[in-house]
Amino acid sequence: KNQVEQSPQSLIILEGKNCTLQCNYTVSPFSNLRWYKQDTGRGPVSLTIMTFSENTKSNGRYTATLDADTKQSSLHITASQLSDSASYICVVTASGTYKYIFGTGTRLKVLA
Amino acid sequence: GAGVSQTPSNKVTEKGKYVELRCDPISGHTALYWYRQSLGQGPEFLIYFQGTGAADDSGLPNDRFFAVRPEGSVSTLKIQRTERGDSAVYLCASSLRTGTTDTQYFGPGTRLTVL
Repeated sequence: KNQVEQSPQSLIILEGKNCTLQCNYTVSPFSNLRWYKQDTGRGPVSLTIMTFSENTKSNGRYTATLDADTKQSSLHITASQLSDSASYICVVTASGTYKYIFGTGTRLKVLA
Repeated sequence: GAGVSQTPSNKVTEKGKYVELRCDPISGHTALYWYRQSLGQGPEFLIYFQGTGAADDSGLPNDRFFAVRPEGSVSTLKIQRTERGDSAVYLCASSLRTGTTDTQYFGPGTRLTVL
């Protein structure tokens, strides 16, 4: 069964600190992996997309990595800000399909 | 508009009632998706439209749920005889076309509460 698992489930850090969120997937055949940010009460917003051949992608203070061999991805947030408080969702798409397979997300809280 | 919009933002109804949720996709996007998101969970696929037709409705939980997109733009998700278990946030997304690398852009969602 195609699954996407994320860890930790929730995380609290102080403003200015770095953090790394993890995503493991069993989706096969793999097409691409996205990280979305979802603020409370809002729809998810795309941060990065990586295909099989890409192993890192940056978007400002967000850097995503992908290891297609171990089927793992991480999202690293540098110098966190209060506005980074949100849920971060890992989404994987299988080759030949449009369907998004969502992880359950990591809830990040950044404290002043 | 610039993004996907959904109305209403919140809907409270009583068990057994009928509700309609509306989605306005990004102009020019041919693909439209409906998802349901329960508290603390990732979105769950319901139905996908390519143009006016429902290309995949395999995620609809039962025949109380129905969605239309008559002119290939605005879509309405319809729920009959609502049950308390239908309470969730209903998200709509659109993408330019169907394709595994096309990013889906999400609306803010409609929070449905069935009392």
